[in-house]
Amino acid sequence: DGGITQSPKYLFRKEGQNVTLSCEQNLNHDAMYWYRQDPGQGLRLIYYSQIVNDFQKGDIAEGYSVSREKKESFPLTVTSAQKNPTAFYLCASSVHSGETQYFGPGTRLLVL
Amino acid sequence: ILNVEQSPQSLHVQEGDSTNFTCSFPSSNFYALHWYRWETAKSPEALFVMTLNGDEKKKGRISATLNTKEGYSYLYIKGSQPEDSATYLCAFSLMNNNAGNMLTFGGGTRLMVKP
Repeated sequence: DGGITQSPKYLFRKEGQNVTLSCEQNLNHDAMYWYRQDPGQGLRLIYYSQIVNDFQKGDIAEGYSVSREKKESFPLTVTSAQKNPTAFYLCASSVHSGETQYFGPGTRLLVL
Repeated sequence: ILNVEQSPQSLHVQEGDSTNFTCSFPSSNFYALHWYRWETAKSPEALFVMTLNGDEKKKGRISATLNTKEGYSYLYIKGSQPEDSATYLCAFSLMNNNAGNMLTFGGGTRLMVKP
């Protein structure tokens, strides 16, 4: 069954803590993306990767970091520098950048 | 940062009503316009990708049109059903964007269809 998985579904972060959100795809897609959604707002691009071992900042990259060591995996770390991390995070992938994106189920991050 | 506007923000209709919503985007350097449907507790799902001015796409009771010269796309739903209740997102990408044709999403239109 091909698709994108994200884990965990819910994540709690303590003050000053770094947390990592997982995103895995078995669609053999080159491009992967991380978005953030806040209540009443659209999806905003955090980071994207057009190909393995390469990634670029999106519109709101401050306080986040990513890696793309494997084609299937694009984990997102929310660092302590991100002052307002509470949001819903969506991961997506596409065959190539700019093409139709396929989304994971999302991770909701809450701050304790 | 590009501005992609969707209207209305939310819409309540009765079952059987037909409805439409608008996506406005910058008209210069257009590459593609995408529509997605996002049902509660599910992942956003692609509906259409349109690239040419005047494009019309149809999927069952849902159709979309594209005007790249004036920078808008309409999504129509004929005879709305409760299962059409979802947030409808549009996303726009520029041609020759150094960022590799990244999508910029609008805020979405939330449709609620009452039985």
